[in-house]
Amino acid sequence: GENVEQHPSTLSVQEGDSAVIKCTYSDSASNYFPWYKQELGKRPQLIIDIRSNVGEKKDQRIAVTLNKTAKHFSLHITETQPEDSAVYFCAASIKGSGGGADGLTFGKGTHLIIQP
Amino acid sequence: DAGITQSPRYKITETGRQVTLMCHQTWSHSYMFWYRQDLGHGLRLIYYSAAADITDKGEVPDGYVVSRSKTENFPLTLESATRSQTSVYFCASRPGGSGASYNEQFFGPGTRLTVL
Repeated sequence: GENVEQHPSTLSVQEGDSAVIKCTYSDSASNYFPWYKQELGKRPQLIIDIRSNVGEKKDQRIAVTLNKTAKHFSLHITETQPEDSAVYFCAASIKGSGGGADGLTFGKGTHLIIQP
Repeated sequence: DAGITQSPRYKITETGRQVTLMCHQTWSHSYMFWYRQDLGHGLRLIYYSAAADITDKGEVPDGYVVSRSKTENFPLTLESATRSQTSVYFCASRPGGSGASYNEQFFGPGTRLTVL
């Protein structure tokens, strides 16, 4: 089955600096790669996603890049702010019969700390 | 986010007891999922369902049973709870279809289960 590795497990950056979180996946059939943000005690919330036919996607301060050949994708957050502090999870779709994201395999998470 | 709810939010039970966690969504989403979240493991897929009466195993299905007699409900049952099933359980849903807009999974608020 799919295996997703995520690094680093903890990332501390100064407010205003950029943060980069990297993930690799194993199943070349995966075609959907979301990133979720989870604050303490809350549910995961989607912040950005990318499909396999796209190499990069940007939404304001957040961007995701995908390298299908190398099977890795990254989350980039620029001009970090205190409210960006949270745990971030990458995920890759599990191929199923439905044609869409029939379940996700998640990385183990990155605890992002924004230092004031 | 009131569209997907879970009950109970907190549950304490004893080893060997049967426990059912409820998940209800009001969006008429075709797909529903159950994940468990443990420190050091991220989120792991237990079971998913593509439609009423269609279910499939995820990464960690052992010890769990699901059913889906109605589109809006997807209960998860632990037939004989074990301490290793102490975890936070998240239900999620997404619309059916395979286009780009159908991939996002929406998570419920979670159920914190403790097995003594």
